[in-house]
Amino acid sequence: GENVEQHPSTLSVQEGDSAVIKCTYSDSASNYFPWYKQELGKGPQLIIDIRSNVGEKKDQRIAVTLNKTAKHFSLHITETQPEDSAVYFCAAPLGEYGNKLVFGAGTILRVKS
Amino acid sequence: GAVVSQHPSWVICKSGTSVKIECRSLDFQATTMFWYRQFPKQSLMLMATSNEGSKATYEQGVEKDKFLINHASLTLSTLTVTSAHPEDSSFYICSASWWRHYNEQFFGPGTRLTVL
Repeated sequence: GENVEQHPSTLSVQEGDSAVIKCTYSDSASNYFPWYKQELGKGPQLIIDIRSNVGEKKDQRIAVTLNKTAKHFSLHITETQPEDSAVYFCAAPLGEYGNKLVFGAGTILRVKS
Repeated sequence: GAVVSQHPSWVICKSGTSVKIECRSLDFQATTMFWYRQFPKQSLMLMATSNEGSKATYEQGVEKDKFLINHASLTLSTLTVTSAHPEDSSFYICSASWWRHYNEQFFGPGTRLTVL
């Protein structure tokens, strides 16, 4: 089955700096990699995702990169703002056609103003 | 688009009672819905997967008779926690996906259950 490891578990950055969170996965058949942001007391919100046919995807200040050979993908947030403070989860599907997602342990991001 | 709602957002109940949580996809037809449980400062733990009109598939270690799941329509799934006990207190979150993008999941806002 799929195993997803996420690092770091906590990350503190100064407002305006960049933040990078990394995940590794074990199943080479996985082909979809979403990132979720969860604020306190709320459900996870999909912020960006990438499929295995591309190596990078960007949406304003957020980007995701994928290295299929090394089986890792990363979330990049530039020009961080206090409202970026939250818990971020990466995930990967179980198998190529799996609709179940396996989640990483989460990263607490704190943006200090 | 892709909005999922949950009701109630929080519930407090006495030990031994049953609690029903509703999950609705508001602007799309959810072919599959998922139920997760999340303890404080932990990741999401998948409890079960349900497809409209068929029985839910439970993850290992999840008691089927304890957590009853019904997926009666393409827009509604319910989770009933039967004979709730304090250890069932948790944050329950549903998500939904549709056939065209089967591995994309859209999450509801979650339901905080506290059992006294």
